[in-house]
Parts: sequence; structure tokens; C-alpha cells
Amino acid sequence: DIQMTQSPSSVSASVGDRVTITCRASQGIGSWLAWYQRKPGTAPKLLIYAASSLQSGVPSRFSGSGSGTEFTLTISTLQPEDFATYFCQQANSFPITFGQGTRLEIK
Amino acid sequence: QVQLVQSGAEVKKPGASVKVSCKASGYTFTAYYMNWVRQAPGQGLEWMAWINPNSGDTKYAQNFQGRVTMTRDTSINTVFMELSRLRSDDTAVYYCARALGGYSHYYDLWGRGSLVTVSS
Repeated sequence: DIQMTQSPSSVSASVGDRVTITCRASQGIGSWLAWYQRKPGTAPKLLIYAASSLQSGVPSRFSGSGSGTEFTLTISTLQPEDFATYFCQQANSFPITFGQGTRLEIK
Repeated sequence: QVQLVQSGAEVKKPGASVKVSCKASGYTFTAYYMNWVRQAPGQGLEWMAWINPNSGDTKYAQNFQGRVTMTRDTSINTVFMELSRLRSDDTAVYYCARALGGYSHYYDLWGRGSLVTVSS
């Protein structure tokens, strides 16, 4: 199975900050990667797919980059509603696997 | 409204089976593969299975082979996930998730989750 490792596991930031989260795959996955946002008590929300494609309706302050084994999610200017948990997911091969998540907290 | 509505929480004893449902609305049910993903307490998300609602074809994660069965009823736009021989480590929230674009491995619509508790 492909292991997905996120870092950091948690990060504290302020409204207006720029935040970057990293996801590493245990083997190359091309650009077959998604990022999701999850808030307590709600379903996950797809933000980015194919490593850098912005899902419809997602604000442009979210962006993704990377290929192969290293990927990043960047939030350019944090908004209050962005404080949540973010996780990556590889879509290259079965079984589909997810990162453990990064909790973005208010500083 | 495009949504997935899942069945409610269940409490089961070890060795029993559980069947969770996911009803789709607001889109063409048969045009989008559906997946099941679970999250156990303190653990990450774990993909379990997918189904092509049009054909009924399924694919299961190796970890669940022989224990999980995914079915669908196109007359009521609903998919089902049945997990048998339950163990305590099957305690988790189970989500259904729709495939982006119909058959990709990205999930653009999720249910709210169904908590399954396995306890004697």
C-alpha cells in the first residue's frame, strides 16, 4: 500500500497568514493526489484534485502543487473559516490511501 | 439538492453484521461510482470499497475482502455496505463518497457518516 505522510500534524496560524502543508507519498504517484478540508461534525470537502486542480466553488486562495512523491497545499491568506483539518489522498492505485491529517488552529 | 443521506448509528456485538445505507439525491445516481470510506477513533481515513451503481460491479480493499459487500438499489438511488464478522476495531464512522466526474478516485460529495459501534 502507498503510505501518505503529512507534515506538520498541526499548525497554528493567524488570519491573513500564508500556510503550507506537505504530503509525501511512499512511492511515486504522478499527480494523482487530492486535498480535502474537514470541519468537526461535517463531511470532508474536496479542495484540490489531480495535485493542482481547484475543485469547483473552492476559493482561489487554496492551491496545490507537486508531483511524484511530494505535494503541498497552500492557503495564501487565511480566513476564519479555514481553520479545520486538512488531509491528502492518493488516487494512483488501490487501495486508495489517505494522510493522517493536519490540524490548522488559530494562533 | 445534491446530497448523500446515510443511515443512522448502529451498535452491534462482535461477530454480528451491519448494513449501512447511503441514499443519493439531486443527480443521476447511476452515473457516479460510489465509495465507502471509514474512520476509526484516532485513526486516519481508510478506503473500503467502490461500486458502479449502473452495473453493480464492485471493488474491495484487500483488508476487507470476504467481509464487506457493497450493493445498490437503483429504484431508490441507494447504495449499501454490509460488513460481517464485526470486531471491536471495526468501530468507526463509515462514509459514502461519490466519485468526481463519475468514475475517478477523487470524492466530491460525501455523506455525513454513520457511526458503527462494536461492543459486547
